Amino acid sequence: GQQLNQSPQSMFIQEGEDVSMNCTSSSIFNTWLWYKQDPGEGPVLLIALYKAGELTSNGRLTAQFGITRKDSFLNISASIPSDVGIYFCAGQPMNRDDKIIFGKGTRLHILP
Amino acid sequence: KAGVTQTPRYLIKTRGQQVTLSCSPISGHRSVSWYQQTPGQGLQFLFEYFSETQRNKGNFPGRFSGRQFSNSRSEMNVSTLELGDSALYLCASSLGGHEQFFGPGTRLTVL
Repeated sequence: GQQLNQSPQSMFIQEGEDVSMNCTSSSIFNTWLWYKQDPGEGPVLLIALYKAGELTSNGRLTAQFGITRKDSFLNISASIPSDVGIYFCAGQPMNRDDKIIFGKGTRLHILP
Repeated sequence: KAGVTQTPRYLIKTRGQQVTLSCSPISGHRSVSWYQQTPGQGLQFLFEYFSETQRNKGNFPGRFSGRQFSNSRSEMNVSTLELGDSALYLCASSLGGHEQFFGPGTRLTVL
């Protein structure tokens, strides 16, 4: 079945550094979504992307819908302690009746 | 606008018992999806309901079932609980499009 490869699995960074993570697939997606999950809570939608090549920002977060429709990137600038958590990408296949596919997540750690 | 609510938030059961979890979607949302989340496994899709009909189903045994009511509220049931069913169960609602909004989850512990 369709799968999303999300990388890296985990990241250890210093406060103030920029962060980049990505999701790739062998399949084409219609929509890309990025979520953040804090411990013990449900994922929260950060950014939704609907068009190939689209670049969208939400504060210090920027995400891009890859031009091939097979990948997406999320960047976080000037990281702060509250950025700690798990970031998930999700893709909606071209057949909108198919279920949304989630990546396995990138766990972000910020070193003191 | 109230978000997705899930009850209960925490649940402890023993092997062999059955459990019912409840999800109330955002007002106006007709699609409800359920996921199981365990450490290292990410979000495993269970099923999706839209207008009281199951639209998609994941690869889980028949012990996992669900339903949706006319007011879009949804329940999922797990019968004959096993230790491996311990997980965070997440419900997400949407208008029927791509953006899913998650509830806080129900933490199920099976002893």
